[in-house]
Amino acid sequence: ILNVEQSPQSLHVQEGDSTNFTCSFPSSNFYALHWYRWETAKSPEALFVMTLNGDEKKKGRISATLNTKEGYSYLYIKGSQPEDSATYLCALGVPSGSARQLTFGSGTQLTVLP
Amino acid sequence: SQTIHQWPATLVQPVGSPLSLECTVEGTSNPNLYWYRQAAGRGLQLLFYSVGIGQISSEVPQNLSASRPQDRQFILSSKKLLLSDSGFYLCASDRGGGYTFGSGTRLTVV
Repeated sequence: ILNVEQSPQSLHVQEGDSTNFTCSFPSSNFYALHWYRWETAKSPEALFVMTLNGDEKKKGRISATLNTKEGYSYLYIKGSQPEDSATYLCALGVPSGSARQLTFGSGTQLTVLP
Repeated sequence: SQTIHQWPATLVQPVGSPLSLECTVEGTSNPNLYWYRQAAGRGLQLLFYSVGIGQISSEVPQNLSASRPQDRQFILSSKKLLLSDSGFYLCASDRGGGYTFGSGTRLTVV
């Protein structure tokens, strides 16, 4: 059983602050690391899919880095806005034949205070 | 782009009653389809996945079953619900790249 851990579990920041959270995973047999944003009452939204050690991806004010050798990924949000409030999920992707199973962490719940 | 339709959004069912949750996909063909559940205080857990019509793989032993009668239809069922089946159920499709998720069904078994 793969163990994907996210920290912190929850986080409150002021509007305008920058913040980051961590996703830890087993470093052996790495295939892919996914980040999702999940707002209440909506579908999880894909942010990034990362496959290579040293990968850095950016989408607006959100960016992510990946270290497959030590088994962690960081998600950064620059200048947090109230609309960034959501649960941020990371998931380890494992191929299973033609399917790709995702093992999710329990998420980091971000609240951005105006 | 893909769109996942799930219904209902919320459901309250008594213990011992049957369950049928339906998921349909638009905008793609021959997708891999997945059912995930989030129990209270826990992360999303993969329940079933399907790579084609009639092909179902189960990840955890449980009180639920899944079927894929058509290419873009994935059904989650139970003959008799247990209290422990309560949770948030998400259907997802994978056609390269990241997953596309439905909006989920919150099931409360009482």
